[in-house]
Amino acid sequence: QSVLTQPPSASGTPGQRVTISCSGSTSNIGSNYVYWYQHLPGTAPKLLIYKNNQRPSGVPDRFSGSKSGTSGSLAISGLRSEDEAIYYCVAWDVSLSGVLFGGGTKLTVL
Amino acid sequence: EVQLVESGGGLVQPGGSLRLSCAVSGFIFSSYEMNWVRQAPGRGLEWVSSISSSGSAMHYAGSVKGRFTISRDNAKNSLYLQMDSLRAEDTAIYYCAGGFAGDGCKDWGQGILVTVSS
Repeated sequence: QSVLTQPPSASGTPGQRVTISCSGSTSNIGSNYVYWYQHLPGTAPKLLIYKNNQRPSGVPDRFSGSKSGTSGSLAISGLRSEDEAIYYCVAWDVSLSGVLFGGGTKLTVL
Repeated sequence: EVQLVESGGGLVQPGGSLRLSCAVSGFIFSSYEMNWVRQAPGRGLEWVSSISSSGSAMHYAGSVKGRFTISRDNAKNSLYLQMDSLRAEDTAIYYCAGGFAGDGCKDWGQGILVTVSS
């Protein structure tokens, strides 16, 4: 069981805005940055958001991240069919001296 | 073009050892913090280990601490993962990934399968 808690699934229709949450604690999200990755099984994961709300070059501005207290969230606006993937939040945990991945949220575009 | 290519995977018996390699090109390897991340069948992504750009600092997930050793050779643009005392639960696709410290893993390999089974 992951220490970073994500909903196992989320869904939306094309064009809609969806939000994926990530709940942690003071030893991880509460004291460190949140990162978000997109993963289609069988392919390499892709960095979407780093340092809570920064987008790497090439990532559309439809993807945005935020953090509040011990929780982070990823928002995807203008949903597209190609957004169907599994999304993971990640944070460093000072108590474990290691990186934590959330359990992943499978996004379905209806 | 940035490329990370893993090698060294395969089938190994429980208790055995395997050494994964990740050959890197297309960026200044010595400036990147590097990681190994794995995905077991039917499971999510799991961080395994990380190493600083200079190789002076290493960190491990609790599930592999004492059994796995991460290392790098900046002169050879290569990352390694020595896996000893392998268990069935270590069966997974292993990815090498890296980026500037604090900026997340911007670049990833395609992954390599490690199967631990008798």
